[in-house]
Amino acid sequence: SAVISQKPSRDICQRGTSLTIQCQVDSQVTMMFWYRQQPGQSLTLIATANQGSEATYESGFVIDKFPISRPNLTFSTLTVSNMSPEDSSIYLCSVDVGTDTQYFGPGTRLTVL
Amino acid sequence: GENVEQHPSTLSVQEGDSAVIKCTYSDSASNYFPWYKQELGKRPQLIIDIRSNVGEKKDQRIAVTLNKTAKHFSLHITETQPEDSAVYFCAASRHGDYKLSFGAGTTVTVRA
Repeated sequence: SAVISQKPSRDICQRGTSLTIQCQVDSQVTMMFWYRQQPGQSLTLIATANQGSEATYESGFVIDKFPISRPNLTFSTLTVSNMSPEDSSIYLCSVDVGTDTQYFGPGTRLTVL
Repeated sequence: GENVEQHPSTLSVQEGDSAVIKCTYSDSASNYFPWYKQELGKRPQLIIDIRSNVGEKKDQRIAVTLNKTAKHFSLHITETQPEDSAVYFCAASRHGDYKLSFGAGTTVTVRA
């Protein structure tokens, strides 16, 4: 498995502002992902964070709203831009350790007022 | 893309009884099927997974079965305990695609 940390663990933000979430892994991994989990819902993949190239976004998610960085094989950031109350969710990063198996970070609980 | 359906959405069982959650998938090329357990306020935790070259896998009180022909897979929890109370998610992916498609989740409550 892998040890995954996320910062911040939670935040309360005003609408129109942006928040950057960090994901750190204790070992180098090829694949990192960002998910959104709305209250009481399942997990929805936002994008795959590719090292050295632009992220690959899923249908319904765009780079302008959710810019992602992946500067190396152990770190990624997700920014939620120009936030509205509808962006209130838990945001989770995950890593694939090389066997299709994904492990999740602890999540960032975002509340937008 | 892949569509994963999960049933039931809620399940209440008496402690010591068995619990069964079923998922169906749409993409016949899917070949990896993990199950995650998510306790309130916690991250999803991988509890068991199965690949398409295997029909059944067991780990202590939990087991997963896969029927490739019917495109469904199930999670079985035997001798349930209060600590089994959580939301369980099934998922599916294709080898090399890496992207997981999740079911809607099942809230399991074990009554003491």
